[in-house]
Amino acid sequence: EDKVVQSPLSLVVHEGDTVTLNCSYEVTNFRSLLWYKQEKKAPTFLFMLTSSGIEKKSGRLSSILDKKELFSILNITATQTGDSAIYLCAVEPPRGNKLVFGAGTILRVKS
Amino acid sequence: NAGVTQTPKFQVLKTGQSMTLQCAQDMNHNSMYWYRQDPGMGLRLIYYSASEGTTDKGEVPNGYNVSRLNKREFSLRLESAAPSQTSVYFCASSDQGYYEQYFGPGTRLTVT
Repeated sequence: EDKVVQSPLSLVVHEGDTVTLNCSYEVTNFRSLLWYKQEKKAPTFLFMLTSSGIEKKSGRLSSILDKKELFSILNITATQTGDSAIYLCAVEPPRGNKLVFGAGTILRVKS
Repeated sequence: NAGVTQTPKFQVLKTGQSMTLQCAQDMNHNSMYWYRQDPGMGLRLIYYSASEGTTDKGEVPNGYNVSRLNKREFSLRLESAAPSQTSVYFCASSDQGYYEQYFGPGTRLTVT
């Protein structure tokens, strides 16, 4: 059964801290790994990763994939209160057309 | 563009009642999805439709049915609601072959 595990489950940091969120998966030959941010309502897309070792970056957020060790990390530098959200990792299995989500990491950034 | 819209936003049902959650997208996407989100469990796929005219079961399909009415609309029906179906339901859509999914605002359903 395809499985995606995120850690930690929740995290509280202070503004300005750097955080690393982890996503490991048991999905062989997956097509892509995606990160989403969920604030009050719907998840919104952050990154899609398909190749190992290539960092994707958007402002203070960056993500990298290790296909050999079957994990991805999402880094957020100089955190702000607006980064408080649930961060979801999802993997697309080889049969395609759907995503398998992890349980998410709840991040709270205190001012 | 409205993106993905869902109705209703909130609903309270009694055990045994039925209802249909509606979802529509205006992005001309081929694929549509229904998820439920429960605390500590992330998003779990209920059903999906890879293209108009096809539907497939996801991880947790029991107690639900779906209809892909046309390319724009994908509805989720609860025939006999149970308290275990209390959850937040999200609809999503994506281009076939392009895996970023766009989510609707969600429906918060409570079954008493």
